[in-house]
Amino acid sequence: QQQVKQSPQSLIVQKGGISIINCAYENTAFDYFPWYQQFPGKGPALLIAIRPDVSEKKEGRFTISFNKSAKQFSLHIMDSQPGDSATYFCAASKRWGSTLGRLYFGRGTQLTVWP
Amino acid sequence: DARVTQTPRHKVTEMGQEVTMRCQPILGHNTVFWYRQTMMQGLELLAYFRNRAPLDDSGMPKDRFSAEMPDATLATLKIQPSEPRDSAVYFCASGLGGQGVGYTEAFFGQGTRLTVV
Repeated sequence: QQQVKQSPQSLIVQKGGISIINCAYENTAFDYFPWYQQFPGKGPALLIAIRPDVSEKKEGRFTISFNKSAKQFSLHIMDSQPGDSATYFCAASKRWGSTLGRLYFGRGTQLTVWP
Repeated sequence: DARVTQTPRHKVTEMGQEVTMRCQPILGHNTVFWYRQTMMQGLELLAYFRNRAPLDDSGMPKDRFSAEMPDATLATLKIQPSEPRDSAVYFCASGLGGQGVGYTEAFFGQGTRLTVV
């Protein structure tokens, strides 16, 4: 059973446009929601993360929007650049007060930004 | 520059052979994860360790896969015997976590691309 559902599977955006990737989860025990970026031949790398006590987090051109009641969160990439072309994974974890802390990943979104 | 180191980066082996993948976590990290990435299944957790003790290996086929941490600086994932369906990229990741510590980010290695023919 997929604990975190991610859409779309692929996304094509023109340079300068906004890329939006959406994720949804079921387990209300999750309290840490990171996004990872992966380039071909490389391992995933943390891009940005959010805790459920805030509704939005922004770092440069990357913003996470979080809707706790809907159990959804999304990644917005403003002014998308060809260098942003990569696979993006959302994830969820139980961060505090648990000996677990494993990451549950979405299936990934392959983003292509055309120049 | 702290990083997770995985060896080998690429491995081609024949069906039935034993495969061992190694991971050197970032110094000081007490949590090590093994993930498998395929086109069909995405990133799947195979096993993970905290302070060298296995916490969850439910994602790992027990009959052929085994994971160990002989010491704090080395994690191994072994497949015996290997099968073509094991072909995937295997990632090791490390982080710092536990009771009262919470969970910080997981740092991924570059992966071992395994091809079983």
